[in-house]
Amino acid sequence: QSALTQPASVSGSPGQSITISCTGTSSDIGTYDYVSWYQQHPGKAPKLMIYDVTNRPSGVSNRFSGSKSGNTASLTISGLQAEDEADYYCNSYTSSSTLYVFGTGTKVTVL
Amino acid sequence: EVQLVESGGGLVQPGGSQRLSCAASGFTFSDYYMDWVRQAPGKGLEWIGRIRDKPNSYTTEYAASVKGRFTISRDDSKNSLYLQMNSLKTEDTAVYYCARGGYSYGFGLGDYWGQGTLVTVSS
Repeated sequence: QSALTQPASVSGSPGQSITISCTGTSSDIGTYDYVSWYQQHPGKAPKLMIYDVTNRPSGVSNRFSGSKSGNTASLTISGLQAEDEADYYCNSYTSSSTLYVFGTGTKVTVL
Repeated sequence: EVQLVESGGGLVQPGGSQRLSCAASGFTFSDYYMDWVRQAPGKGLEWIGRIRDKPNSYTTEYAASVKGRFTISRDDSKNSLYLQMNSLKTEDTAVYYCARGGYSYGFGLGDYWGQGTLVTVSS
């Protein structure tokens, strides 16, 4: 099971919006609405930001939103803030022998 | 407050064994599936296994990379999760996280995570 494909890096200025893509296959993103997104600051544990493609856990800013089209999921961060600078990983449930597959990770830089 | 605290990491020789623990608090541990996820130094996240709850017979699932070498278990009376790692390889060097799962009809992964414990496999 190959990792989901994410851009290595995305950057934006404060206040702007950025979108991170996550491309999988018909065995994962294309079939299941169990896509989640995690934020990870250096040296810290991942934090769930989006689950089930579009849902935000309690306490997560509404500046974070998720979507999906075909085999590609996306995370949009609007009103970019300095604290959003982190690594972001997507994840999907998969029908392969491995239950879950993570994305390759995207480093978000706030210019 | 949900808390997950891993322990048991350290330096181990190739071919050796190590047992990690994850102590849970702040929620009804027995109601949830639990997962282990690892992250090699400077690399991305890798899901390595899950244990379900008692109603689902404590069934386990593993990633191909660890199947047959790693075993996940739990003790609901102690609110604890375990990862027994055998036949360790240098490529198993990573920070190991425990994470709560099973929300969203059983398909959810990682709504809470521990801080991680580092396992270094080296001679």
